[in-house]
Amino acid sequence: DSGVTQTPKHLITATGQRVTLRCSPRSGDLSVYWYQQSLDQGLQFLIQYYNGEERAKGNILERFSAQQFPDLHSELNLSSLELGDSALYFCASSRSGLPYPYGELFFGEGSRLTVL
Amino acid sequence: GENVEQHPSTLSVQEGDSAVIKCTYSDSASNYFPWYKQELGKRPQLIIDIRSNVGEKKDQRIAVTLNKTAKHFSLHITETQPEDSAVYFCAASVESGGSNYKLTFGKGTLLTVNP
Repeated sequence: DSGVTQTPKHLITATGQRVTLRCSPRSGDLSVYWYQQSLDQGLQFLIQYYNGEERAKGNILERFSAQQFPDLHSELNLSSLELGDSALYFCASSRSGLPYPYGELFFGEGSRLTVL
Repeated sequence: GENVEQHPSTLSVQEGDSAVIKCTYSDSASNYFPWYKQELGKRPQLIIDIRSNVGEKKDQRIAVTLNKTAKHFSLHITETQPEDSAVYFCAASVESGGSNYKLTFGKGTLLTVNP
Protein backbone atom coordinates (compact mmCIF):
# COMPACT_ATOMS: atom_id res chain seq x y z
CA ASP A 1 0.00 0.00 0.00
CA SER A 2 1.60 3.26 -1.17
CA GLY A 3 -0.65 5.47 0.92
CA VAL A 4 -2.02 7.20 -2.19
CA THR A 5 -5.75 6.69 -2.65
CA GLN A 6 -7.51 7.03 -5.98
CA THR A 7 -11.22 6.85 -6.68
CA PRO A 8 -13.00 5.46 -8.55
CA LYS A 9 -11.01 2.33 -9.46
CA HIS A 10 -13.08 1.74 -12.56
CA LEU A 11 -15.28 4.03 -14.60
CA ILE A 12 -17.26 3.35 -17.74
CA THR A 13 -18.86 6.23 -19.58
CA ALA A 14 -19.93 7.39 -23.01
CA THR A 15 -18.32 9.71 -25.52
CA GLY A 16 -19.04 13.36 -24.87
CA GLN A 17 -19.43 12.88 -21.13
CA ARG A 18 -17.43 14.41 -18.27
CA VAL A 19 -15.81 12.56 -15.38
CA THR A 20 -13.84 13.50 -12.28
CA LEU A 21 -11.03 11.40 -10.86
CA ARG A 22 -9.98 11.94 -7.28
CA CYS A 23 -6.66 11.47 -5.52
CA SER A 24 -5.60 11.69 -1.89
CA PRO A 25 -1.81 11.86 -1.50
CA ARG A 26 0.27 10.22 1.20
CA SER A 27 0.19 11.95 4.53
CA GLY A 28 2.80 14.71 4.50
CA ASP A 29 3.29 14.77 0.73
CA LEU A 30 2.84 18.22 -0.76
CA SER A 31 3.13 17.40 -4.46
CA VAL A 32 0.65 15.53 -6.61
CA TYR A 33 1.18 14.30 -10.17
CA TRP A 34 -1.20 12.91 -12.76
CA TYR A 35 -0.12 10.39 -15.38
CA GLN A 36 -2.01 8.71 -18.19
CA GLN A 37 -1.05 5.13 -19.05
CA SER A 38 -2.08 3.55 -22.31
CA LEU A 39 -0.69 0.43 -23.97
CA ASP A 40 1.17 2.21 -26.75
CA GLN A 41 2.24 5.39 -24.96
CA GLY A 42 3.49 4.19 -21.61
CA LEU A 43 3.29 6.66 -18.75
CA GLN A 44 2.48 10.14 -20.03
CA PHE A 45 2.96 13.04 -17.64
CA LEU A 46 -0.09 15.28 -17.48
CA ILE A 47 0.38 17.80 -14.68
CA GLN A 48 2.02 18.48 -11.30
CA TYR A 49 0.69 20.43 -8.34
CA TYR A 50 2.66 21.54 -5.32
CA ASN A 51 0.90 22.78 -2.21
CA GLY A 52 -2.14 23.87 -4.20
CA GLU A 53 -0.35 25.48 -7.12
CA GLU A 54 0.26 24.17 -10.61
CA ARG A 55 4.01 23.73 -11.11
CA ALA A 56 4.62 21.63 -14.22
CA LYS A 57 2.54 20.76 -17.22
CA GLY A 58 2.93 17.96 -19.72
CA ASN A 59 0.84 16.75 -22.62
CA ILE A 60 -2.47 17.55 -21.01
CA LEU A 61 -5.33 18.19 -23.41
CA GLU A 62 -7.39 21.38 -23.13
CA ARG A 63 -10.41 19.17 -22.40
CA PHE A 64 -8.67 18.04 -19.24
CA SER A 65 -8.18 20.14 -16.12
CA ALA A 66 -6.96 19.52 -12.62
CA GLN A 67 -6.66 21.21 -9.28
CA GLN A 68 -5.23 20.61 -5.84
CA PHE A 69 -7.30 21.67 -2.87
CA PRO A 70 -6.17 23.17 0.46
CA ASP A 71 -6.31 19.72 2.08
CA LEU A 72 -3.90 18.61 -0.70
CA HIS A 73 -6.22 16.16 -2.39
CA SER A 74 -6.45 16.56 -6.14
CA GLU A 75 -9.02 16.08 -8.84
CA LEU A 76 -8.56 15.48 -12.55
CA ASN A 77 -11.51 16.52 -14.68
CA LEU A 78 -11.91 15.00 -18.13
CA SER A 79 -14.59 16.47 -20.38
CA SER A 80 -15.98 15.90 -23.89
CA LEU A 81 -14.62 12.39 -23.62
CA GLU A 82 -13.43 10.56 -26.71
CA LEU A 83 -12.74 6.88 -27.30
CA GLY A 84 -9.02 7.62 -27.24
CA ASP A 85 -9.23 8.89 -23.68
CA SER A 86 -9.73 5.33 -22.47
CA ALA A 87 -6.70 4.63 -20.30
CA LEU A 88 -5.44 4.03 -16.80
CA TYR A 89 -4.98 7.32 -14.96
CA PHE A 90 -2.44 7.30 -12.17
CA CYS A 91 -2.04 9.82 -9.43
CA ALA A 92 1.27 9.95 -7.60
CA SER A 93 2.58 12.02 -4.73
CA SER A 94 5.97 12.99 -3.33
CA ARG A 95 7.23 14.74 -0.21
CA SER A 96 8.62 17.74 -2.03
CA GLY A 97 8.16 19.13 -5.50
CA LEU A 98 11.71 18.31 -6.52
CA PRO A 99 13.43 15.11 -7.64
CA TYR A 100 16.02 15.25 -4.89
CA PRO A 101 16.31 14.36 -2.10
CA TYR A 102 12.70 13.21 -1.81
CA GLY A 103 11.98 12.51 -5.44
CA GLU A 104 10.37 9.09 -5.20
CA LEU A 105 6.90 9.12 -6.68
CA PHE A 106 4.38 7.01 -4.78
CA PHE A 107 1.67 5.90 -7.16
CA GLY A 108 -1.92 5.09 -6.40
CA GLU A 109 -3.62 2.00 -7.82
CA GLY A 110 -4.99 4.00 -10.73
CA SER A 111 -8.42 4.77 -12.14
CA ARG A 112 -9.31 2.79 -15.23
CA LEU A 113 -11.47 4.85 -17.56
CA THR A 114 -13.35 3.19 -20.39
CA VAL A 115 -15.11 5.43 -22.89
CA LEU A 116 -17.70 3.66 -25.04
CA GLY B 1 10.87 19.02 -23.89
CA GLU B 2 12.58 15.88 -22.68
CA ASN B 3 12.25 12.70 -24.72
CA VAL B 4 13.22 9.31 -23.30
CA GLU B 5 13.73 6.34 -25.59
CA GLN B 6 13.81 2.85 -24.07
CA HIS B 7 14.97 -0.45 -25.58
CA PRO B 8 14.10 -3.22 -25.93
CA SER B 9 10.33 -3.12 -25.63
CA THR B 10 10.27 -6.80 -24.67
CA LEU B 11 12.99 -8.99 -23.18
CA SER B 12 12.85 -12.68 -22.36
CA VAL B 13 15.60 -14.37 -20.34
CA GLN B 14 16.17 -17.64 -18.55
CA GLU B 15 16.19 -17.69 -14.79
CA GLY B 16 19.68 -16.92 -13.53
CA ASP B 17 20.70 -14.95 -16.62
CA SER B 18 21.34 -11.22 -16.66
CA ALA B 19 19.04 -8.62 -18.20
CA VAL B 20 19.98 -5.20 -19.52
CA ILE B 21 17.59 -2.40 -20.43
CA LYS B 22 18.86 0.73 -22.11
CA CYS B 23 17.54 4.28 -22.27
CA THR B 24 18.59 7.50 -23.95
CA TYR B 25 17.43 10.99 -23.13
CA SER B 26 17.41 14.18 -25.15
CA ASP B 27 17.72 17.03 -22.65
CA SER B 28 21.33 17.49 -21.56
CA ALA B 29 20.06 19.37 -18.49
CA SER B 30 18.42 16.20 -17.13
CA ASN B 31 20.17 15.10 -13.97
CA TYR B 32 17.95 12.61 -12.17
CA PHE B 33 17.26 9.13 -13.56
CA PRO B 34 14.98 6.73 -11.69
CA TRP B 35 13.79 3.28 -12.69
CA TYR B 36 10.30 2.02 -11.84
CA LYS B 37 8.99 -1.53 -11.85
CA GLN B 38 5.34 -2.26 -12.60
CA GLU B 39 4.08 -5.77 -11.99
CA LEU B 40 1.01 -6.91 -13.90
CA GLY B 41 -2.06 -5.04 -12.70
CA LYS B 42 -0.09 -3.13 -10.09
CA ARG B 43 1.18 0.41 -9.64
CA PRO B 44 4.71 1.48 -10.65
CA GLN B 45 7.25 1.42 -7.83
CA LEU B 46 10.73 2.92 -7.62
CA ILE B 47 13.50 0.31 -7.61
CA ILE B 48 16.64 2.40 -8.03
CA ASP B 49 17.66 5.91 -9.05
CA ILE B 50 20.84 7.76 -9.95
CA ARG B 51 21.87 11.38 -10.12
CA SER B 52 24.10 12.83 -12.78
CA ASN B 53 27.06 13.29 -10.45
CA VAL B 54 27.29 9.50 -10.09
CA GLY B 55 28.32 7.06 -12.83
CA GLU B 56 27.06 3.84 -11.33
CA LYS B 57 24.88 2.70 -8.44
CA LYS B 58 24.20 -0.82 -7.16
CA ASP B 59 21.57 -2.32 -4.91
CA GLN B 60 21.92 -6.08 -4.48
CA ARG B 61 21.10 -7.66 -7.87
CA ILE B 62 20.27 -4.42 -9.67
CA ALA B 63 22.59 -1.70 -10.89
CA VAL B 64 22.23 1.42 -12.98
CA THR B 65 24.94 3.06 -15.07
CA LEU B 66 24.93 6.55 -16.52
CA ASN B 67 26.90 8.03 -19.40
CA LYS B 68 26.22 11.76 -19.42
CA THR B 69 28.29 12.40 -22.53
CA ALA B 70 26.26 9.94 -24.56
CA LYS B 71 23.01 10.80 -22.70
CA HIS B 72 22.52 7.13 -22.04
CA PHE B 73 21.67 5.10 -18.94
CA SER B 74 21.05 1.42 -18.36
CA LEU B 75 19.50 -0.97 -15.85
CA HIS B 76 21.31 -4.23 -15.15
CA ILE B 77 19.64 -7.11 -13.33
CA THR B 78 21.83 -10.09 -12.45
CA GLU B 79 20.78 -13.60 -11.43
CA THR B 80 17.24 -12.97 -12.63
CA GLN B 81 14.36 -14.65 -10.84
CA PRO B 82 10.74 -15.24 -11.97
CA GLU B 83 9.58 -12.50 -9.59
CA ASP B 84 11.65 -10.02 -11.62
CA SER B 85 9.09 -10.45 -14.42
CA ALA B 86 7.41 -7.05 -14.85
CA VAL B 87 7.42 -3.90 -16.96
CA TYR B 88 10.39 -1.67 -16.23
CA PHE B 89 10.28 2.06 -16.93
CA CYS B 90 13.23 4.40 -17.11
CA ALA B 91 12.68 8.10 -16.54
CA ALA B 92 14.53 11.40 -16.60
CA SER B 93 14.01 14.73 -14.91
CA VAL B 94 15.67 18.09 -14.69
CA GLU B 95 16.35 19.16 -11.14
CA SER B 96 15.25 22.75 -11.12
CA GLY B 97 14.06 25.17 -8.54
CA GLY B 98 10.55 26.32 -7.79
CA SER B 99 9.22 22.85 -6.89
CA ASN B 100 8.94 22.04 -10.56
CA TYR B 101 9.30 18.30 -11.14
CA LYS B 102 8.43 16.81 -14.49
CA LEU B 103 9.43 13.16 -14.70
CA THR B 104 9.41 11.88 -18.28
CA PHE B 105 9.13 8.12 -18.67
CA GLY B 106 10.24 5.79 -21.42
CA LYS B 107 7.63 3.50 -22.94
CA GLY B 108 8.64 0.53 -20.84
CA THR B 109 10.27 -2.88 -21.24
CA LEU B 110 8.32 -6.05 -20.56
CA LEU B 111 10.80 -8.43 -18.92
CA THR B 112 9.87 -12.10 -18.75
CA VAL B 113 12.04 -14.45 -16.71
CA ASN B 114 11.46 -18.06 -17.69
CA PRO B 115 11.97 -20.70 -14.96
